[in-house]
Amino acid sequence: GAGVSQSPRYKVAKRGQDVALRCDPISGHVSLFWYQQALGQGPEFLTYFQNEAQLDKSGLPSDRFFAERPEGSVSTLKIQRTQQEDSAVYLCASSLVLVDSGNTIYFGEGSWLTVV
Amino acid sequence: AQTVTQSQPEMSVQEAETVTLSCTYDTSESNYYLFWYKQPPSRQMILVIRQEAYKQQNATENRFSVNFQKAAKSFSLKISDSQLGDTAMYFCAFMKHGGIQGAQKLVFGQGTRLTINP
Repeated sequence: GAGVSQSPRYKVAKRGQDVALRCDPISGHVSLFWYQQALGQGPEFLTYFQNEAQLDKSGLPSDRFFAERPEGSVSTLKIQRTQQEDSAVYLCASSLVLVDSGNTIYFGEGSWLTVV
Repeated sequence: AQTVTQSQPEMSVQEAETVTLSCTYDTSESNYYLFWYKQPPSRQMILVIRQEAYKQQNATENRFSVNFQKAAKSFSLKISDSQLGDTAMYFCAFMKHGGIQGAQKLVFGQGTRLTINP
């Protein structure tokens, strides 16, 4: 696709519900990142994939958060038993190869999650 | 662990003026990258400018330039001839050099809300 696509753009969940957020990276991009951005804050790293391998999940705040990228393209971030503190914008980003080789990281517009 | 600090929560200038946004960071790494990202209300992060730590020359991109002071761990962004479309949140970000480990995560500051007034 032309850019990183995320869906849904907006999600309102009742506390305790499970949610799934989808990220469709730019075609061919190997690296994929998830970030969480609370209101008025900078984004914070959640997890990183290289193709289908999840190489870093150190930022996932609890075991209620789970991410996958089974075929090395589309990724899903799942949050189980949502809580109010999970309310945030979830940003997905992708990069062509390894970011360290100087490739630009492209961000999606984010999925806005509100837990009520 | 690396930290990034932006000490100016908000700034406001008149159109066509020059504005400088401040950023400091803390790291024990010797090789890394620094970035400025722009985030409009749509929330999509847009890369403004990038600096490799091993390069002494300050990066420039049209009206945007940086003042990179490695010893002081300072990385400020200067926007010249500011335009209404520059109104946005601006985030400073750090990434350590990955080497054979490849891609590394971005560490962001808290952001500066910049408003350009007509």
